[in-house]
Amino acid sequence: GAVVSQHPSWVICKSGTSVKIECRSLDFQATTMFWYRQFPKQSLMLMATSNEGSKATYEQGVEKDKFLINHASLTLSTLTVTSAHPEDSSFYICSARPPIGQGANTEAFFGQGTRLTVV
Amino acid sequence: AQSVTQPDIHITVSEGASLELRCNYSYGATPYLFWYVQSPGQGLQLLLKYFSGDTLVQGIKGFEAEFKRSQSSFNLRKPSVHWSDAAEYFCAVGTYNQGGKLIFGQGTELSVKP
Repeated sequence: GAVVSQHPSWVICKSGTSVKIECRSLDFQATTMFWYRQFPKQSLMLMATSNEGSKATYEQGVEKDKFLINHASLTLSTLTVTSAHPEDSSFYICSARPPIGQGANTEAFFGQGTRLTVV
Repeated sequence: AQSVTQPDIHITVSEGASLELRCNYSYGATPYLFWYVQSPGQGLQLLLKYFSGDTLVQGIKGFEAEFKRSQSSFNLRKPSVHWSDAAEYFCAVGTYNQGGKLIFGQGTELSVKP
């Protein structure tokens, strides 16, 4: 199956700093990628839909100025947590699906996730 | 509104016993349905998926699931559980035209006792 790579796997940062997480589709082009957040012992909640060449679409309650999403190319989306605080500590996971014509009837592929700890 | 419900937050079964994890969904369009497994601190692993066709779907690790449209359910089953199956299980629903956007259930934590 297709591969989605997420980097870094884990990161520790100081409160008030910014952290960038990368999500790459390694063997297919993804015009759309998705970012999820998972708090401990909870489910995955969709944060935003990342659209190549246009602005991201954020889910209700997600601060777009705090979670900056840039879909720089057809294989890369980045999530930047700005001015991070301890309550932003979470597991962040991205996903992408090959577009129509490249195996459309298939599932989204998930990255390995990034464990963010803000101290 | 779209939603996925996993009624059981935590299930404990004995090793070798059968397992059924419940999943109910609410979705207006024709759903794509998935089961994922997650070990502590790890990412998601796809167990199986349903897009169309045969409503009984076989997955990896001996898991299967049955799509029942009349009951809006997609329950996961395994005839004989192994200790290594202990993990968190998530049911998810999506649609073709949403390009892979998924709504997840709350998850069911499976414990396996020897």
